[in-house]
Amino acid sequence: GQQVMQIPQYQHVQEGEDFTTYCNSSTTLSNIQWYKQRPGGHPVFLIQLVKSGEVKKQKRLTFQFGEAKKNSSLHITATQTTDVGTYFCAAPRDGGTSYGKLTFGQGTILTVHP
Amino acid sequence: DAGVIQSPRHEVTEMGQEVTLRCKPISGHDYLFWYRQTMMRGLELLIYFNNNVPIDDSGMPEDRFSAKMPNASFSTLKIQPSEPRDSAVYFCASRRTEVNTEAFFGQGTRLTVV
Repeated sequence: GQQVMQIPQYQHVQEGEDFTTYCNSSTTLSNIQWYKQRPGGHPVFLIQLVKSGEVKKQKRLTFQFGEAKKNSSLHITATQTTDVGTYFCAAPRDGGTSYGKLTFGQGTILTVHP
Repeated sequence: DAGVIQSPRHEVTEMGQEVTLRCKPISGHDYLFWYRQTMMRGLELLIYFNNNVPIDDSGMPEDRFSAKMPNASFSTLKIQPSEPRDSAVYFCASRRTEVNTEAFFGQGTRLTVV
């Protein structure tokens, strides 16, 4: 079935450095969502991308959806200690618009050293 | 709204015992999901319901796992008998029937089977 691969698994950065995590799919996605999970917490929705080549920004976070809708990235500029957590991408498992079967990538664990 | 409510928050049980996890979705949400999170496997979708009907339980690991949703405001995930490898954080999430809507997660139940 649909697999969403996410890299890297871990990323350690110094506060102020940039951070990027990537998600890749072997099939075309109808949409992709990004979630953040703080240590000890639960996943919280950040954003959804739907259109080919879409770029969305939330303050220091930039989200991109590839032209072929098979990959996506999350970039954080000038990381802060509050950015610590695990970042997940998620997409419908069957690649379609199914409301269910939301499949999560393995997540990227971000640690920020002050 | 109080969000998705899960209980208990923590559960420690002995191998072989029955464990029941509970979830109250957000009012008006007609999709409910059960996920399991471990370091090794990440976030796995176990089962999801639409309008209280199980749609896909292909992620349920074994017959020891069962889930019910007797009404729109309550769901249970039961493990009988429990085993140490079932130790994980179990999340319940809900969403509405609209195209591309986010999933709202509960705080999770941390299960430890000794």
